[in-house]
Parts: sequence; structure tokens; C-alpha cells
Amino acid sequence: QITLKESGPTLVRPTQTLTLTCSFSGFSFYTTGVGVGWVRETPGKALEWLAVIYWDGNERYNPSLENRLTITKDTSRKQVVLTVTNVESADTGTYFCAQRLGMGRRNWFDPWGEGILVTISS
Amino acid sequence: DIQMTQSPASLSASLGDTVTITCRASQNIDNYLSWYQKKSGSPPRLLIFTASRLQPGVPSRFSGTWSRTEFTLTITGVQPEDFATYFCLQSYSFDLTFGQGTRLDIK
Repeated sequence: QITLKESGPTLVRPTQTLTLTCSFSGFSFYTTGVGVGWVRETPGKALEWLAVIYWDGNERYNPSLENRLTITKDTSRKQVVLTVTNVESADTGTYFCAQRLGMGRRNWFDPWGEGILVTISS
Repeated sequence: DIQMTQSPASLSASLGDTVTITCRASQNIDNYLSWYQKKSGSPPRLLIFTASRLQPGVPSRFSGTWSRTEFTLTITGVQPEDFATYFCLQSYSFDLTFGQGTRLDIK
């Protein structure tokens, strides 16, 4: 059974750095094709893709946020970490991590973690 | 960036109705599209991948079709548990983009 779980702070002050951890089980980065991504749901209820990291270390970021995002993986600990620098109120939302399945362009996210609600406020 | 224009933004349906949600891509994305159901307080749930393939465990009343840059999600015979928000996601570009979402509520 594949599971993912997000952890991190639920309240962050503006201009600080948000660090979120996705801990997963049931799959491994040692497997070719594996990826883990982050998606957030904004208060307006839209979904926004943030970043994804692949088994080979390749990373992709949402271009509109790229200069503020960093995604890393710890293969042995089965964790993926997302950092968001210089946070602002617009970064408030629920952050989800999910396994990326498929190969090449033919890919999708499944399953997903339960999400973590992060509020940016002073 | 590839833009995904999803419509309608919201719709109301009665139990047993057939509803159709559309995503239009700003350029060719082949069939690199997936559909997700989102309920408040829950994570997104994968329904359809590669435009038309039903995720195992998803009821067969959900179906996906596509033609060129237009993708549709159809629910044939809406059930109470289907009232939710639906999103499409393109993966043709490695910079992934979601549609804006379609909220389905009860009439």
C-alpha cells in the first residue's frame, strides 16, 4: 500500500521560509520513473502545481514560483522536502504531496497525501 | 505555458443526470491529461488518466474523451457522492497546469 504524509508548520510569518516534508511508503526512488510532486489548494479552491522531483534527481518547478521554490529528496529516508522562501499571504493554503506515475509526458498524480493547511500570518 | 480553460465554472445537477465538463488546451497536448475529483477536506482523487483511461476503483459512470485540444469528463447518472469540484491537469508540458475547476452541486 502506498501512502504519503505531509508535515511541517501550520503557521508561518510573512517573509520567512516554509519547509514542508513529504514522508512516503510503498514505493522508492530507486525505481525508474518514480516521482513525487507538490500541489497546493488556495483559499479560492483552485489547485496549483508547485514542483516535482524524479527518481534521477531531475526537478521541475512552476515557472511563476521557481525563484522561491526548492525541492529535494532523501532516497534512503523516503522523504521529499519542499521549501518556499519569502512567504506571503498568497502562499496560504493546503499543501499536498503526491506520487507521480507514468513515464515521460504520460503521467499523473496518484495517490495523494491528506494535505497540510499552512497559514501565512504575522 | 500551456493554458487549460475549464468550463463551466459551476453547474447544478439532479441525481441521475448526465453532466459534462470540458477542458480546452491552448495548444496540442496529445492525450496527456488527467482528471481529479476534489471534495472539501479531502485530497484530490484521480479519476481518469491519459484522457480516457479509468483509474481502477473509480465507478464506470465516469468517462473521459478527447478530440484534438478539447477534453471532456462525463458523469452518466450523477450520484450523491459525485457532488464535488473537478479539475483537469495537463502533463504534455513538464510545467504542469491545472484547469480552474468545475464545481458540481445539487440542483
